[in-house]
Amino acid sequence: DTEVTQTPKHLVMGMTNKKSLKCEQHMGHRAMYWYKQKAKKPPELMFVYSYEKLSINESVPSRFSPECPNSSLLNLHLHALQPEDSALYLCASSQGGADTEAFFGQGTRLTVV
Amino acid sequence: RKEVEQDPGPFNVPEGATVAFNCTYSNSASQSFFWYRQDCRKEPKLLMSVYSSGNEDGRFTAQLNRASQYISLLIRDSKLSDSATYLCVVTSGVMDTGRRALTFGSGTRLQVQP
Repeated sequence: DTEVTQTPKHLVMGMTNKKSLKCEQHMGHRAMYWYKQKAKKPPELMFVYSYEKLSINESVPSRFSPECPNSSLLNLHLHALQPEDSALYLCASSQGGADTEAFFGQGTRLTVV
Repeated sequence: RKEVEQDPGPFNVPEGATVAFNCTYSNSASQSFFWYRQDCRKEPKLLMSVYSSGNEDGRFTAQLNRASQYISLLIRDSKLSDSATYLCVVTSGVMDTGRRALTFGSGTRLQVQP
């Protein structure tokens, strides 16, 4: 069983809605990530937080806004999304720097209508 | 050129077969290498890390060739439950802490048939 917990598991939202995805880990990991995965494609990195600071933003549109309230929590705030943003959003964490193995949550399957 | 390249497959093999997957990476500064397994509509799960000396975990053997920038995964005595997509993963980015993250290959699909 994964020790990275994501909520909600499924989310349907309209293009004018504001919603948030949540991720929590209690493994003491200091790096946390958001990935986006479309069907039949590999996960694509969106953001990396290292020691609670944003260290990588892979040119993600501003309608996606990450937040790391503390070392155990990672949020992804969503606003004014487009239908093409529909995907599986995966949270992951890793122990040391961003070069150690990462453990993934079960993901949030997002549909934008 | 993609940073991490894999043969997408699918590889269709009978139960009990031995199957090998290959992966090449373009960034010679890559430091860490992994194989992940992903079942349909599930999250990726770490299968094994890959070390220069090679490593084995039961029926699974991983090898790393830094000179050729090449990683392999060998599965012996395939089981039906091995059917999944296998993702080759390497670190990428610049060398300072916090600026490295995992980069995924496109994955190789394995279907083990009875």
